[in-house]
Amino acid sequence: NAGVMQNPRHLVRRRGQEARLRCSPMKGHSHVYWYRQLPEEGLKFMVYLQKENIIDESGMPKERFSAEFPKEGPSILRIQQVVRGDSAAYFCASSPVRPDTQYFGPGTRLTVL
Amino acid sequence: QQQVKQSPQSLIVQKGGISIINCAYENTAFDYFPWYQQFPGKGPALLIAIRPDVSEKKEGRFTISFNKSAKQFSLHIMDSQPGDSATYFCAASKPAGNQFYFGTGTSLTVIP
Repeated sequence: NAGVMQNPRHLVRRRGQEARLRCSPMKGHSHVYWYRQLPEEGLKFMVYLQKENIIDESGMPKERFSAEFPKEGPSILRIQQVVRGDSAAYFCASSPVRPDTQYFGPGTRLTVL
Repeated sequence: QQQVKQSPQSLIVQKGGISIINCAYENTAFDYFPWYQQFPGKGPALLIAIRPDVSEKKEGRFTISFNKSAKQFSLHIMDSQPGDSATYFCAASKPAGNQFYFGTGTSLTVIP
């Protein structure tokens, strides 16, 4: 019974490049959440998705960031034209019913050079 | 603004002692309060959670105390062990809400 899977675990990008972060929820979970964690800070909500639908993107920066959760395949968090301030750990969580008992993946640590 | 305020930022406890981490919130709409444990390089893992209809919940060495009138809740770790050394986050969510609001975390070190 695999948990939430995220890849890559570490990602290095140069300023201006694109970053793609992938998240596969736990089996049977259809709700996915993305959070960002800056050093020495708690997790900040970014977006909540169900299959093929963005339910709440109130925490997502208006520019350069987008997310999707297609009918088939993992959820993708996409950051275009990365800047140094995007360096952070990005965590994905999933739940069977929203939003209780969110289960977190191991995270993707993005470093922008 | 920070919806959930957590203290202390760091905590050092002797093995066998009691670790206490406190959180406070303002939004009375919150109705679910989980605690997460995070080890370096790992994702947060759900430790224990409580709803405001009870004042205390205990699971093994971990206890949540909840004070609805004061809008505060705390995590108590009894008989703290070196393996408990981690960062602990409190969180809160609203009914039918879409997100957890996290505290800023407490780094716990248990000294042998």
